[in-house]
Formats: sequence, structure tokens, C-alpha cells
Amino acid sequence: DTEVTQTPKHLVMGMTNKKSLKCEQHMGHRAMYWYKQKAKKPPELMFVYSYEKLSINESVPSRFSPECPNSSLLNLHLHALQPEDSALYLCASSRGGSQETQYFGPGTRLLVL
Amino acid sequence: QKEVEQNSGPLSVPEGAIASLNCTYSDRGSQSFFWYRQYSGKSPELIMSIYSNGDKEDGRFTAQLNKASQYVSLLIRDSQPSDSATYLCAVNRLNTDKLIFGTGTRLQVFP
Repeated sequence: DTEVTQTPKHLVMGMTNKKSLKCEQHMGHRAMYWYKQKAKKPPELMFVYSYEKLSINESVPSRFSPECPNSSLLNLHLHALQPEDSALYLCASSRGGSQETQYFGPGTRLLVL
Repeated sequence: QKEVEQNSGPLSVPEGAIASLNCTYSDRGSQSFFWYRQYSGKSPELIMSIYSNGDKEDGRFTAQLNKASQYVSLLIRDSQPSDSATYLCAVNRLNTDKLIFGTGTRLQVFP
């Protein structure tokens, strides 16, 4: 089983709203990732958690706040977003390490008005 | 120079033909190479991974790796219209969990 689930599938929010994206995997993977993908562009890494600790933050603005409550769950808290933050947000997981495959969830399509 | 480079396409091939997708990378220390397929509006799906020089075959797909030339390719035999998608080449940066993606090649298979 290589399933990563994400909720919600779609999200529309205003610039003053606070919302959260959720990601879950039950593969025993120790690394989890958040990516942002704009149309016709490749996924762009935002954050990496390894053993529930933040290991990579790609200089993401503080209006995006990641959280890893346990080894199976990953959240992305959103606050005061801008319209240019509208994108597909992808979660992925892997066993960790440079040789391991990352498996992607279906993504959350976010629209900021 | 970009770390991972792909021709953006579109690459158009007739049904039944072989589609050849190419990717070059700049970091000689890279050890892991992945091909993902992404349909419009969907998330990336792993097609192949390859770690050693040479060919790796899985059904209609063959990945080829040449570390001396810093080149990795994906061949799709007997291409089908359902293969029409964007193919993303990805390379793991050595000793990190970081995956570097190319810009993707859009493949169109016409009947």
C-alpha cells in the first residue's frame, strides 16, 4: 500500500482566513513533505519533516506553518495568504534517505480570493 | 545551469510508436533517479526509479541511466493515448531527503 491521503480536495479561502491542510500516511514512512505546484510548473519543495522534526524549510513565508503531530500526520496551517498562493498543495512521504521513493498524495487545490 | 533539465515539449508521437524522454542533471554525486507521470490536475505518480548505470525495464517502460554523461532517459514502447501526460524527471540530492525536479516534458500520443 503506497497511499497518502490529503484533505480537503479543494479549498477556497479569503486573505484573512485561517485554514489547515491535512495529510496522512500509514506506510511507516519517516519522512513527510509539503510541495507547492503552480500550473505548468514542477512541484516546489516547501518543508521536509524527518522523524517528526522539521529538517528542511525552503525559506517559505511565515504565513505557511507546518506541523507534524505524529509520524503519520502532517498539517499545513495557512493564515493571511495572498492570491498568488493559489496552487496545488501536495503532500508526499518516503522511508527517508536519498535513495527512497517519494509517494505523493492527491493534493489540495487551493484558491485564495 | 539548472540542476535537472528536460525539454518541455510537447513531444508528439503516434499511437504504437516509441516515445523517448530525456533528462540531464548537473550534480555528479546524485545517486537516485525517478520518473513521475502527472496527468493534468492530478498529482505525480511514480513510473520508474533507477540507481545503477544501464537499463531497467518495467512493462512498456524502460529507464536508462548514464552517470558518466549525467543523463537519464525514459522510453515508452507501444505508446497509447492514455500515456499523454507530463513526465517529470527527479533526482535526489546526495545525502538529503530533497528531490530536485526537472520542468517536465509534455507527451502527446495521437491516435
